[in-house]
Amino acid sequence: NAGVTQTPKFRILKIGQSMTLQCAQDMNHNYMYWYRQDPGMGLKLIYYSVGAGITDKGEVPNGYNVSRSTTEDFPLRLELAAPSQTSVYFCASSRQGARLNEQFFGPGTRLTVL
Amino acid sequence: DAKTTQPTSMDCAEGRAANLPCNHSTISGNEYVYWYRQIHSQGPQYIIHGLKNNETNEMASLIITEDRKSSTLILPHATLRDTAVYYCIVRSLSGNTPLVFGKGTRLSVIA
Repeated sequence: NAGVTQTPKFRILKIGQSMTLQCAQDMNHNYMYWYRQDPGMGLKLIYYSVGAGITDKGEVPNGYNVSRSTTEDFPLRLELAAPSQTSVYFCASSRQGARLNEQFFGPGTRLTVL
Repeated sequence: DAKTTQPTSMDCAEGRAANLPCNHSTISGNEYVYWYRQIHSQGPQYIIHGLKNNETNEMASLIITEDRKSSTLILPHATLRDTAVYYCIVRSLSGNTPLVFGKGTRLSVIA
């Protein structure tokens, strides 16, 4: 299994540009999450999904959109990039039930907005 | 979810046991204690979790006090590769709200 994969690894955007961060998992996990991590800080939850077609906001959803059309994929969309969105973005997944809180994380996407 | 308190940073000599404490005095009866770690620039990695009994796996041991108000993660023989930020998270199994990561403890293993 590849686990959780994220693309791209790095990206530089200009203010106002849009992009989609891709996330995929091959573990058949119901739950998927997007976090951001600013330098020297802990992770903050942006959005999460409990299954295909179901998404919900986390702690810091403003400026982002998500969709979950399949179990495997959970893309994160930035519509109008701002310098405040410069961060490292991590996608994660977990199965429901007793192992709900054992999250598997991807390698991250480092985004810089100039 | 109950709040946790961890020291900001700790040092440990290579080959020695690293003991990372966590206070969770408001933990409720159905909440588990989870530990994750994050090695520089990588995504967090699940380590271990427990409810009230001590737990051990190939990575670490988790000791939970009898009153469940605190716990200690033990890395029995720390190596340089264990240098990371360690997060203690208290969480129940019910509900849909995901994990909340605080600032954790930065463990430096020194040769």
